[in-house]
Amino acid sequence: AQSVTQLDSHVSVSEGTPVLLRCNYSSSYSPSLFWYVQHPNKGLQLLLKYTSAATLVKGINGFEAEFKKSETSFHLTKPSAHMSDAAEYFCVARAFGGGADGLTFGKGTHLIIQP
Amino acid sequence: GAGVSQSPRYKVAKRGQDVALRCDPISGHVSLFWYQQALGQGPEFLTYFQNEAQLDKSGLPSDRFFAERPEGSVSTLKIQRTQQEDSAVYLCASSLSGQGYTDTQYFGPGTRLTVL
Repeated sequence: AQSVTQLDSHVSVSEGTPVLLRCNYSSSYSPSLFWYVQHPNKGLQLLLKYTSAATLVKGINGFEAEFKKSETSFHLTKPSAHMSDAAEYFCVARAFGGGADGLTFGKGTHLIIQP
Repeated sequence: GAGVSQSPRYKVAKRGQDVALRCDPISGHVSLFWYQQALGQGPEFLTYFQNEAQLDKSGLPSDRFFAERPEGSVSTLKIQRTQQEDSAVYLCASSLSGQGYTDTQYFGPGTRLTVL
């Protein structure tokens, strides 16, 4: 079984400042890790994914995440926030050989961008 | 090309009614998933199909929930005798292959079900 913990339910940053959304995972198996974004009244969109290749993963819209096995973390960062980044962000895991076939979602982090 | 579509987008049901939610996956996608997203929560896995075979239904909360994908394309999630706790957004996702734990799942916009 696996679990995903997003450490902050809400994060507020000013436009143009860095963004850090924190995620820790727990899995008995080698996980694939994803970050999805959900804008109001829109479907979930994949930002990036880690699949045991490079530990630093670059995604769309300037986001990136680093897989740190020793810390069981997969934090999402962006150097400079834009107003359009305001949304709900989900850290997601799927473990190979670990049981249920679906994705395991964290509870989400609501990102607020202050003008 | 077209993404995953779901219908209806909104559904209001009286307690005890049966509902059917439809998902049209991306053409050619082998895998199809259903998730339930309660208000303020992350989506939770319900069930998984590979073509027409339902390989995992471990997340279905009760035997009132039933899903099918008879021809390996369109899927229907049916909820019998709806209860207020069934109120949620139901999300459908599809992915290209049937084996890849690294596969990207593409999500539809969801159906918001409200049970009165």
